[in-house]
Amino acid sequence: NAGVMQNPRHLVRRRGQEARLRCSPMKGHSHVYWYRQLPEEGLKFMVYLQKENIIDESGMPKERFSAEFPKEGPSILRIQQVVRGDSAAYFCASSPKTSGSGEQFFGPGTRLTVL
Amino acid sequence: AQRVTQPEKLLSVFKGAPVELKCNYSYSGSPELFWYVQYSRQRLQLLLRHISRESIKGFTADLNKGETSFHLKKPFAQEEDSAMYYCALSGRAGGTSYGKLTFGQGTILTVHP
Repeated sequence: NAGVMQNPRHLVRRRGQEARLRCSPMKGHSHVYWYRQLPEEGLKFMVYLQKENIIDESGMPKERFSAEFPKEGPSILRIQQVVRGDSAAYFCASSPKTSGSGEQFFGPGTRLTVL
Repeated sequence: AQRVTQPEKLLSVFKGAPVELKCNYSYSGSPELFWYVQYSRQRLQLLLRHISRESIKGFTADLNKGETSFHLKKPFAQEEDSAMYYCALSGRAGGTSYGKLTFGQGTILTVHP
């Protein structure tokens, strides 16, 4: 099992451009979570998805940010019209369908830099 | 609202010394507490969870509901324990975790030879 995969690992965008971050969960996992880590801060929850459903998006900014987890393919976190404040590390985690333990398996993260 | 506080950003000890990483939480329901660790150039991984009451790599953590704490302890620190440690909380209901993790800000532990 290759573990949670994220790509790209590093992404540079200019202000106003769009950023697309991809996350492939571990095999057999149907729950995906996105977290953001700003410089000098801990990880902050953004959104929790299951296949084709958003379960909890309470941590997602209301504008410019969206997430999806289609039936086929990776989960995508999309940031439109990026601003300098979006520069951060974005982590994806996954857990199995029958997760009663709460353990999440993390990817290596995507470091987004907005110029 | 749920909140996790790790008061120490940096913690340095010498090899063989005891170590305690502090974690306090705030949550109105029944919490599930975790310690995650990130070694240099590796991804974040689960170290231990309160519900399993296990010791991993010599580390233990006891949930104290009265003090709302979940401190991580090890009696004799090793150099390979140097890493970033995060305390995290997930709300639980009916035996199932809610999924969302709330993290503390992390403590960088450095164990000197």
